[in-house]
Amino acid sequence: NAGVTQTPKFQVLKTGQSMTLQCAQDMNHEYMSWYRQDPGMGLRLIHYSVGAGITDQGEVPNGYNVSRSTTEDFPLRLLSAAPSQTSVYFCASSSLESWSVDTQYFGPGTRLTVL
Amino acid sequence: AQTVTQSQPEMSVQEAETVTLSCTYDTSESDYYLFWYKQPPSRQMILVIRQEAYKQQNATENRFSVNFQKAAKSFSLKISDSQLGDAAMYFCAYRSYNQGGKLIFGQGTELSVKP
Repeated sequence: NAGVTQTPKFQVLKTGQSMTLQCAQDMNHEYMSWYRQDPGMGLRLIHYSVGAGITDQGEVPNGYNVSRSTTEDFPLRLLSAAPSQTSVYFCASSSLESWSVDTQYFGPGTRLTVL
Repeated sequence: AQTVTQSQPEMSVQEAETVTLSCTYDTSESDYYLFWYKQPPSRQMILVIRQEAYKQQNATENRFSVNFQKAAKSFSLKISDSQLGDAAMYFCAYRSYNQGGKLIFGQGTELSVKP
């Protein structure tokens, strides 16, 4: 049981490049989310999904795309990287069960630098 | 929209002493959950304690307890008998009752523990 995994751990991009941050969970969780963490601003929600085929925008969605083709995977795509997207990115998952008080399980994070 | 505010960017405590971290939030909802997460230098997000808004009793987890004041929209974290391993960034977070996967975070409080 690996929990939530993210790859890569570190990434450096040039402005305008595209890339995909990978996220996978093996707990059969319905909810999956992407957050970015910037100094002094806490974590902010980028996109989230309540199940395969269903995604929605969070607080800061611009410049990012997501898809959810399977329960396990929730990749985050940067279409054209900008320096403002330099951040640490966290993927999280949690259960839809009504009795579960949303213990979100977080991945280890990806530190992204855009030059 | 809901907001979470942590007004103490940094706090310091002597080992074995008690420290309280403050958190206020704004919401028009009556049903929600509140959380405290710990983020050590490893960047891992660790759930410390959670509180259901409909419960009047304050949550407690070993040395960690909260003071939940629903009318005042206040949710402070008390750490008793502080240990060196408690040094970390602490985030307060809010989740609507029916919005699993969507956490709203405060800005964080950096806690240092002096030996």
